[in-house]
This record gives sequence, structure tokens and C-alpha cells, in this order.
Amino acid sequence: NAGVTQTPKFQVLKTGQSMTLQCAQDMNHEYMSWYRQDPGMGLRLIHYSVGAGITDQGEVPNGYNVSRSTTEDFPLRLLSAAPSQTSVYFCASSYSNRNNWGTEAFFGQGTRLTVV
Amino acid sequence: GQQVMQIPQYQHVQEGEDFTTYCNSSTTLSNIQWYKQRPGGHPVFLIQLVKSGEVKKQKRLTFQFGEAKKNSSLHITATQTTDVGTYFCAGGGSYIPTFGRGTSLIVHP
Repeated sequence: NAGVTQTPKFQVLKTGQSMTLQCAQDMNHEYMSWYRQDPGMGLRLIHYSVGAGITDQGEVPNGYNVSRSTTEDFPLRLLSAAPSQTSVYFCASSYSNRNNWGTEAFFGQGTRLTVV
Repeated sequence: GQQVMQIPQYQHVQEGEDFTTYCNSSTTLSNIQWYKQRPGGHPVFLIQLVKSGEVKKQKRLTFQFGEAKKNSSLHITATQTTDVGTYFCAGGGSYIPTFGRGTSLIVHP
């Protein structure tokens, strides 16, 4: 059982380039989310999805796009990379309880992105 | 929106000393989750508290949820070098929990 798989693990981009960070989960979780982690800033929510075809913005969505065409996959697209997007990116998934609240989150291994 | 504040940001301890991190919210939380992230790793779920005044233990770790469900704490007794990492609280009660900034624990042998 793989859990949450993120690719790539490391990436270096030039300013202005675009790329997609991949995230896949095999636990049939409804909820998926993307975070960025910067020193001293904790985990900041970029975008999230509560099911296939449904996405919404988090705390820091600018410069990022997402889509959710299947339950399993939730890719994060950087449209035009900037040095301020240098960070560690985590994807997470969780199932919902009877109140539709997200329960324990399972995180991927992370993608370390450097924009030069 | 819901905000979760966590203190301290860093804590240095000698091995064998106790450690506590605190989590405070401006609003009542439906539940609180705690995660641990080892250096270079990803956050891993530790526990979820739901009831007012709830206390749960995992070996040397004690988790508390305040009576008003606005604060929580994680206490580690007799720290070990394996406890090194960042501990996050996350306020639940919505689709996606709101994470605090975390407390980084450094244990000196």
C-alpha cells in the first residue's frame, strides 16, 4: 500500500518556467490538499479538493493551479515559476468522517523545489 | 478564518528534560490533531482529541484538550534524542485542518 506518492522529490527551475508537481493516493480518500513549507512558517495551505471535480483555494493560492479529474490524482501546476516559490511542497489526503470533517491527514514525502 | 497559534517556535532541552508545546485558537475547535515531522521528513499523524478536557497518553507523550476547546498541549516526559523534530497542532472541524507553525524540539545529548 503506497499511501500518498509525490513526484519529483527534487526539482530546480529557472524563473518563468512552468511545471507540474504530481500527487497520487491509493487510499480512496475524498480530501486532498497541497501545502508549502518555508522555515518558520509552518504548513501553509495552497489549494485543496473535497472530491473529483471540486477544488478550492487555501491561504496562499497565487501562482498555482490545481485540478482533480480523478479521486486518486491531484496535480499542482506552477504557471510561471518565481524565486519566491522556492519551498518544500507537501501533498496530503484524508477521508471524511460522518460530519464531513477531514480526519487524520496522510502526507507524501515532499518535493523540494528551487527556483533560480 | 480559523487561526491556530503555537508556542514556542523552538525549544532546546538536555536529554532527559521534559518538553511542552502549546496550541491556542481564537475560536472553539471541533477537534485538534497533532503531528510530528522528523528533520528532512514529512508530517506524521500522532493523535486526535475531540472531547472537552480530554487527555490521551502515548508512552512518554501526553496530549490535552482544554475545557473550552480553544487550547491544547503536548507534553513529553524525559526527552530522548529520538524525539527531535517539529511538532504541529492542527485545528479540525472543517474539510482541511488549519495547522499551527509548529514547535521545533532540539534535544542535546
